[in-house]
Amino acid sequence: DTGVSQDPRHKITKRGQNVTFRCDPISEHNRLYWYRQTLGQGPEFLTYFQNEAQLEKSRLLSDRFSAERPKGSFSTLEIQRTEQGDSAMYLCASSLPGGPGANVLTFGAGSRLTVL
Amino acid sequence: GQQVMQIPQYQHVQEGEDFTTYCNSSTTLSNIQWYKQRPGGHPVFLIQLVKSGEVKKQKRLTFQFGEAKKNSSLHITATQTTDVGTYFCAGTNDYKLSFGAGTTVTVRA
Repeated sequence: DTGVSQDPRHKITKRGQNVTFRCDPISEHNRLYWYRQTLGQGPEFLTYFQNEAQLEKSRLLSDRFSAERPKGSFSTLEIQRTEQGDSAMYLCASSLPGGPGANVLTFGAGSRLTVL
Repeated sequence: GQQVMQIPQYQHVQEGEDFTTYCNSSTTLSNIQWYKQRPGGHPVFLIQLVKSGEVKKQKRLTFQFGEAKKNSSLHITATQTTDVGTYFCAGTNDYKLSFGAGTTVTVRA
């Protein structure tokens, strides 16, 4: 297992376009998270899946953001009608389903979005 | 909602010196975690503290969880250039981690 994989690593788009990011978690991790990080800030929680169920979505997340994890494995995060304020690093993380490591996050390298 | 604050925001350290970074939560935490993010990298888990008053050491790093489980500290002794990066604390309640803004550490050789 190569850890958490994210694709693409970089995305430059024009305002108003849609973008989609993919995350492949560690195979035995059934919890998957999306976070957003801007310069000088810590990761900000966006949403959380346990298997295929999306259990929480941040109130800060507008309706332009949607995430899926259709088969409980990989996940996608789509941003519609991108705005310049969406420019950030989008981090995916996964964790074990239980035990001491249940809340310990393994992050991917991130997908950096630049909206022009 | 839960807020986690970290101080200082920046720490400029002479190689060989010690320093401490602090983390404070507005609410009582189930546990607290520390992550390190190297420049251009992603956060990497360092440690998790669960018990009130818990102290854990990793080589030159000492982590402490407050008695009230609302604050934590990271102390680094004999700072090395490999310690460069941003250190985040993250408070957990149930499954969600709330990260502080981090302490960015630079080292003068």
